[in-house]
Amino acid sequence: NAGVTQTPKFRILKIGQSMTLQCTQDMNHNYMYWYRQDPGMGLKLIYYSVGAGITDKGEVPNGYNVSRSTTEDFPLRLELAAPSQTSVYFCASSPVAPRVYEQYFGPGTRLTVT
Amino acid sequence: AQKVTQAQTEISVVEKEDVTLDCVYETRDTTYYLFWYKQPPSGELVFLIRRNSFDEQNEISGRYSWNFQKSTSSFNFTITASQVVDSAVYFCALSESNTGFQKLVFGTGTRLLVSP
Repeated sequence: NAGVTQTPKFRILKIGQSMTLQCTQDMNHNYMYWYRQDPGMGLKLIYYSVGAGITDKGEVPNGYNVSRSTTEDFPLRLELAAPSQTSVYFCASSPVAPRVYEQYFGPGTRLTVT
Repeated sequence: AQKVTQAQTEISVVEKEDVTLDCVYETRDTTYYLFWYKQPPSGELVFLIRRNSFDEQNEISGRYSWNFQKSTSSFNFTITASQVVDSAVYFCALSESNTGFQKLVFGTGTRLLVSP
């Protein structure tokens, strides 16, 4: 199992450009999440999904969009990139279970907007 | 509202010292879960422990131990005989869910520097 994979690892965007951060998991997890981590801060939830076709906003959704057409993929779209979106982005997943499991995190995408 | 406070921004110790990382949380729920994650310099997040609100037993895993005290809303993490490889940022996190789906609220992290 590859677990949770994210591409790209690094990206530099100009202000106003758009891009999609890719996230794929091969563990058949229903629940997927996108977080951002700003320097010196903890992770904050951007969007999450409880299954294919179902997404919802987290704590900091402005400037982002998501879609979930399959169980495996959960891409994060940045429209009109702004310097405030410079951050490290983590995708995570967790299984449907009768009890709470930890979230499995991808390696992260470091994004710089200049 | 949920909140996790890690008041120690950075801790520096010399190898073989014991070190405790503090975590204080706020929640109105009686059912919740607490987590610790490690973020080494390579940047990935490594799961360390999960604890539910009904289990106040302390836990030990090798050099790592965790002290959960509901009376003080704390879930502190101790590393015994620290090693250079323990250098990382450590995050405490809280989830109010009691199902597989969780919205995690993270603290701001404590950076641990262990020097030889």
